[in-house]
Amino acid sequence: QVQLVQSGSELKKPGASVKVACKASGYTFSSHAMNWVRQAPGQGLEYMGWISNHNGSPTYAQAFTGRFVFSLDTSVSTAYLQISSLKAEDTAVYYCARTSNSGSYIFDIWGQGTKVTVSS
Amino acid sequence: EIVLTQSPATLSLSPGERATLSCRTSQSISSDCAWYQQKPGQAPRLLIYDASNRATGIPARFSGSGSGTDFTLTISNLEPEDFAVYYCQQRINWPPTFGGGTKVEIK
Repeated sequence: QVQLVQSGSELKKPGASVKVACKASGYTFSSHAMNWVRQAPGQGLEYMGWISNHNGSPTYAQAFTGRFVFSLDTSVSTAYLQISSLKAEDTAVYYCARTSNSGSYIFDIWGQGTKVTVSS
Repeated sequence: EIVLTQSPATLSLSPGERATLSCRTSQSISSDCAWYQQKPGQAPRLLIYDASNRATGIPARFSGSGSGTDFTLTISNLEPEDFAVYYCQQRINWPPTFGGGTKVEIK
């Protein structure tokens, strides 16, 4: 079946880096762009940006420029989110979400989420 | 950035009742509105896209309507598994944005 499986929870200290993986299966990875969405504890959904399935070019929402990097490894059908110089306010669940064939920025398949906790 | 305001924040209903959730946008988004359901500890799930199109596998009791700045998600006959948080989302302007959510809880 079509699914996105994300890497497990992470506990990091402030200033460290983290890399979250999102492995796709059940569909042609190169046929769909990938998006990232953040959900802080007890809060709503915040769109972070997307990465092109055609050329691997990332586009970041304004709040996610600088310390956030999206990448793809098409050989293993996996998208990545790397966050550097972690801060306490980066504590959140991070979701990858596939762009639907029905239109841009329609998110039809979601990963299960990766909880990132930043604490000293 | 387009702001989406959902109301009410919480809706207390019994199984079998009808739920009506509202989403209002700060500017017109034509029909570019989607709805997602999120249960505790789970990822969001796409229910409706382009205001009124049900996503694959979504039961017919879920329906969406609206255009411009006012959108509605209706759940016609609440099942126990429908108690969750619902988010609307616009995609017409960059960046895509979500509403703050409506929690549908058991009365």
